[in-house]
Amino acid sequence: EVQLVESGGGLVQPGGSLRVSCEASGFTFSSYEMDWVRQAPGKGLEWVSYISSSGSSLDYADSVKGRFTISRDNAKNSLYLQMNSLRGEDTAVYYCVRDRGWGLPLDYWGQGTLVTVSS
Amino acid sequence: DIQMTQSPSTLSASVGDRVTITCRASQSISIWLAWYQQKPGKAPKLLIFKASSLENGVPSRFSGRGSGTEFTLTISSLQPDDFATYYCQQYDTRSVTFGQGTKLEIK
Repeated sequence: EVQLVESGGGLVQPGGSLRVSCEASGFTFSSYEMDWVRQAPGKGLEWVSYISSSGSSLDYADSVKGRFTISRDNAKNSLYLQMNSLRGEDTAVYYCVRDRGWGLPLDYWGQGTLVTVSS
Repeated sequence: DIQMTQSPSTLSASVGDRVTITCRASQSISIWLAWYQQKPGKAPKLLIFKASSLENGVPSRFSGRGSGTEFTLTISSLQPDDFATYYCQQYDTRSVTFGQGTKLEIK
């Protein structure tokens, strides 16, 4: 069974930093591209970042470019999102999502971790 | 970025009804469209990909159509478990984008 379990969310002050993690199981993590998608309270879904299976190719939404860094450790079956210079508008549930690759959709989603940016 | 626009934003219907949700893309995305269902406090669940391919385990009352810029999700006979919010998503580009969502409510 595919499982994605996020952790590391919490309350952080504006301008602060936080790293959220995602531990994967039930599939060959190193073979899959991965994404982060977020959802602000009561709002819709917003793609945040992408990483290729090897970690060599990265992409970011304009709203987080230069502030967020996606990474992965295939030996630990883990995905990370380092978030710096956090703003109130970054407050959201952050989902770790498996990406089947070109021409195929995002399929499995974790349960999400809530990041709240507030003083 | 490719903009995705869903209609309606809210849909009221009854068990047994046939309902259709529309999603329009700001430019052609071929068939690279997915539909997701989300219930309150839960993660989205993939229903349909490649505009019309049903994900494994998804009931056959769900169907998708379309290509280019206009797409539809149809539920042929609403069941109590189907009342949720539905999102379309384009994956023609790596920076995927979602529609704003359609909340399907019980009439």
